Amino acid sequence: QIQLQQSGPGLVKPSQTLSLTCAISGDSVSSNSAAWNWIRQSPSRGLEWLGRTYYRSKWYNDYAESVKSRITFNPDTSKNQFSLQLNSVTPEDTAVYYCAREGALTTFSYWGQGTLVTVSS
Amino acid sequence: DIQMTQSPSSLSASVGDRVTITCRASQSISSYLNWYQHKPGKAPKLLIYKASSLQSGVPSRFSGSGSGTDFTLTISSLQPEDFATYYCQRTDSTPLTFGGGTKVEIK
Repeated sequence: QIQLQQSGPGLVKPSQTLSLTCAISGDSVSSNSAAWNWIRQSPSRGLEWLGRTYYRSKWYNDYAESVKSRITFNPDTSKNQFSLQLNSVTPEDTAVYYCAREGALTTFSYWGQGTLVTVSS
Repeated sequence: DIQMTQSPSSLSASVGDRVTITCRASQSISSYLNWYQHKPGKAPKLLIYKASSLQSGVPSRFSGSGSGTDFTLTISSLQPEDFATYYCQRTDSTPLTFGGGTKVEIK
């Protein structure tokens, strides 16, 4: 049974860095048949895909244009997890952040529990 | 980038009603479209993949159709547990953009 467990702070100050981690059980972050995504949800923007990281003989990352200049994904094979770092946050980055496993046919069948991150001083 | 537009943005319906939600892509995405159900405080749930394939465990009252640029999600007989927000998502290539969502509320 695949499970994703998110961790990270729920409050970040403006201009600082948002950092979240998604720990994987029941699968491997370096699986050749999965990709590991970050999505966020806010009342004003609905669901917003932020990007993904995946391993196909080497690591690849795809990022949404809206956050491309500020976002980094870091897979950690030793801990079987992947993380999100979003720099220079503003109140507009306040949202519930989810990690999700992408399987065959680009289906997101497994999700983390979600983390509400509020950007406020 | 391809834009995904859902309509309506919200609707009110009664238990037992037939509900149809539309998703339009700004360019053809063949059948590379998924539908998700999202309830407050929970993670989104995959309902339909590849435009018309029902995800395992999802009730048969949910169905999807369409290809190219126009897609629909139909709930044949709305149940109390179906009140939620529904999102389409393009899956042909990145960015894996979601539609703006359709909130289904109780009439």
